[in-house]
Amino acid sequence: GQNIDQPTEMTATEGAIVQINCTYQTSGFNGLFWYQQHAGEAPTFLSYNVLDGLEEKGRFSSFLSRSKGYSYLLLKELQMKDSASYLCAAPWGGSYIPTFGRGTSLIVHP
Amino acid sequence: DAGVTQSPTHLIKTRGQQVTLRCSPKSGHDTVSWYQQALGQGPQFIFQYYEEEERQRGNFPDRFSGHQFPNYSSELNVNALLLGDSALYLCASSLVGQLNTEAFFGQGTRLTVV
Repeated sequence: GQNIDQPTEMTATEGAIVQINCTYQTSGFNGLFWYQQHAGEAPTFLSYNVLDGLEEKGRFSSFLSRSKGYSYLLLKELQMKDSASYLCAAPWGGSYIPTFGRGTSLIVHP
Repeated sequence: DAGVTQSPTHLIKTRGQQVTLRCSPKSGHDTVSWYQQALGQGPQFIFQYYEEEERQRGNFPDRFSGHQFPNYSSELNVNALLLGDSALYLCASSLVGQLNTEAFFGQGTRLTVV
């Protein structure tokens, strides 16, 4: 089976740093994805982690701990345009098809 | 590169009717996955098509069916529509067998069942 848990909503201030956590339980681990989805738009790919550790990509970084079933997305120097839903997703059971969590709605205010 | 294109963008149907949604994958991609996204929820996997066959299926009833054509485009059909089928339907394309391949999503079709 598959179970992904992430906070429903978070708020942060422009210019600050925010960490969005995701915990997962899956049979057969094939990596973990993060997607960004602005209201009314399609999800867009942010990152993919298959090994433990932190991967940095500009203002966004993603961390994975396979032993703890835990990942986080770190957003630095927040901008207003970062207000969006952030979706954690993990393929399950040997599949390459990501199963999505409910998403975390991030609100960035001035 | 047009990316993933879906049609129509919006659709209103009546309970009991049937609907067909269409998707053209990103150039070079051979696999199409369909998702249903209810308001405030993450996308839920419906099924995936590769080589014109359904490869995997999520927890959706048989009212949901699909097809993939030789040019890799795909259709999602929903029969006997229910009010609960109202959602954003997303198509995602990718390359089969690539573990870390990112899925590219279309803009979606907003289906409203009244």
